[in-house]
Amino acid sequence: DVKVTQSSRYLVKRTGEKVFLECVQDMDHENMFWYRQDPGLGLRLIYFSYDVKMKEKGDIPEGYSVSREKKERFSLILESASTNQTSMYLCASSSLLGYTFGSGTRLTVV
Amino acid sequence: EDQVTQSPEALRLQEGESSSLNCSYTVSGLRGLFWYRQDPGKGPEFLFTLYSAGEEKEKERLKATLTKKESFLHITAPKPEDSATYLCAVQASSTGTYKYIFGTGTRLKVLA
Repeated sequence: DVKVTQSSRYLVKRTGEKVFLECVQDMDHENMFWYRQDPGLGLRLIYFSYDVKMKEKGDIPEGYSVSREKKERFSLILESASTNQTSMYLCASSSLLGYTFGSGTRLTVV
Repeated sequence: EDQVTQSPEALRLQEGESSSLNCSYTVSGLRGLFWYRQDPGKGPEFLFTLYSAGEEKEKERLKATLTKKESFLHITAPKPEDSATYLCAVQASSTGTYKYIFGTGTRLKVLA
């Protein structure tokens, strides 16, 4: 089975902390994505990457950065966590056939 | 502006009571329409991809159809294990090769 693995299912962080969310895929996909999902707002794209060391801003990049040093790994970084970044974070990789999502990281910032 | 709208927001069905979920879209140059199932606290799981009007796909009790303006996910004789949120997403020429526009989902609850 193809897989996208997110390193943590649940995280609790303090305001102002630097937070790293890790995502690894084993499908040799070039494209990877970070979304956040909030009730009533659906999935919103934060950043995506179409190649190693390449990245593009999505619809809501403010307060986030990303790193793609290896093809299989795409990291989301919250530079200084804030309470409004409390959310479900979903990583995905894609081929022409569609997206495969990870199981999500529920991040709570207190 | 590209937009994807799902209705209803929530749906409660009795076991065996068939119904349909709607996904309407306004985009420039549809490339594909995708249906996903999402269980609470988990990531979305792929169900179907539809590429052109008139196309239909089936899987167990689910059938997805596509017109030029909308897609339907028909659920025939649902069971409690079909309870989940169903997400629709669209890929269009305006969004690029791999970016999708997601709807906000329909929360389905099937009662035994």
